[in-house]
Amino acid sequence: AAGVIQSPRHLIKEKRETATLKCYPIPRHDTVYWYQQGPGQDPQFLISFYEKMQSDKGSIPDRFSAQQFSDYHSELNMSSLELGDSALYFCASSSQGVNSPLHFGNGTRLTVT
Amino acid sequence: QKEVEQDPGPLSVPEGAIVSLNCTYSNSAFQYFMWYRQYSRKGPELLMYTYSSGNKEDGRFTAQVDKSSKYISLFIRDSQPSDSATYLCAIFNSGGYQKVTFGTGTKLQVIP
Repeated sequence: AAGVIQSPRHLIKEKRETATLKCYPIPRHDTVYWYQQGPGQDPQFLISFYEKMQSDKGSIPDRFSAQQFSDYHSELNMSSLELGDSALYFCASSSQGVNSPLHFGNGTRLTVT
Repeated sequence: QKEVEQDPGPLSVPEGAIVSLNCTYSNSAFQYFMWYRQYSRKGPELLMYTYSSGNKEDGRFTAQVDKSSKYISLFIRDSQPSDSATYLCAIFNSGGYQKVTFGTGTKLQVIP
């Protein structure tokens, strides 16, 4: 079965640079979630989109923005990167209409040097 | 106090043991319950999903929900070394836009 696809798998950036993470949800899933996970921590919710509109917002820094496109894929844009942004970034997708569970991708490991 | 509490462990058991992983939650509006398994440097993998009180079984895994006590459990029978991972409980409300609340995860090690 198709899963959530995230790219790139690994990304190394320097401080103050910009990064773009991409997420391709499971086909027919209309909701995308972004999570940040630091070492030894549970996933922290950043932002979600339902039918291309922002549906909920968590602890996402103002330096970050995201959007969901017409094909339901989503991109997380991160600017003015800081050392503390180094983490695993997960995307998850679900189908809102049936209260379906979240399915996660394997994440993008971002390292800021 | 976090909305979802989970013992972080680590929990170390011998191969073949029955493992019990637990979470408690405080918001009675929570109606949907999930258990995820996460291997190091991988995304959380959905193991169990349930929305009613009682037990749900899938192979060696049993999810148990007690809404009156706001308590959920995951049991693993005949544990294997390959079960060594971090287990996360996750809970959300019904309807509208889902906001999922995660437990902090329990790190499990199954020793051969």
